[in-house]
Amino acid sequence: GAVVSQHPSRVICKSGTSVKIECRSLDFQATTMFWYRQFPKQSLMLMATSNEGSKATYEQGVEKDKFLINHASLTLSTLTVTSAHPEDSSFYICSATSGSNQPQHFGDGTRLSIL
Amino acid sequence: AQKVTQAQTEISVVEKEDVTLDCVYETRDTTYYLFWYKQPPSGELVFLIRRNSFDEQNEISGRYSWNFQKSTSSFNFTITASQVVDSAVYFCALRWGSSNTGKLIFGQGTTLQVKP
Repeated sequence: GAVVSQHPSRVICKSGTSVKIECRSLDFQATTMFWYRQFPKQSLMLMATSNEGSKATYEQGVEKDKFLINHASLTLSTLTVTSAHPEDSSFYICSATSGSNQPQHFGDGTRLSIL
Repeated sequence: AQKVTQAQTEISVVEKEDVTLDCVYETRDTTYYLFWYKQPPSGELVFLIRRNSFDEQNEISGRYSWNFQKSTSSFNFTITASQVVDSAVYFCALRWGSSNTGKLIFGQGTTLQVKP
């Protein structure tokens, strides 16, 4: 079945560091990828929708300059948390789909801890 | 506006008990999809089921069953003869409208603890 690979699975770094998370669709072309954020014991909140070759669409309240999203190819989207601070510590999950009426396939998530 | 409500925050049962997880959704669109996902402690989301708004047939898959009732806007999930391995957070999710980009809105999640 379709597989989405998310890397790294865990990141621990110092405050002020920029962190890049990759999301790859391994066996299908992902025209759209989504980035979610999940705080402990809370639900998944959509951060942005990323379409290949175009700018990402951010949800209300999500800082575009803080969370940079690049979807340069049909198999790769990246989320960069710029100048990360402890409040950015969270679980970030990506998903990918080959079309709006197709299933979303989720990555295994990245646990980001900012010291 | 679209909304998914999982009123049960936490449920605790003893192994072999049946348990039902509730999900109520809101949308004005006639075309939509409903999902259930399982999130074990390791964090990954495990897809369980997708149901479109035109298919109200209930579904059974092993110990899992789903009851979709458009009249009450509910899509409940029942685990029969629960097992310890069923312990996880379960999310109900909604994708709405033909023009929607495909993004999902999730409920708050229900934490299920199955005790031996």
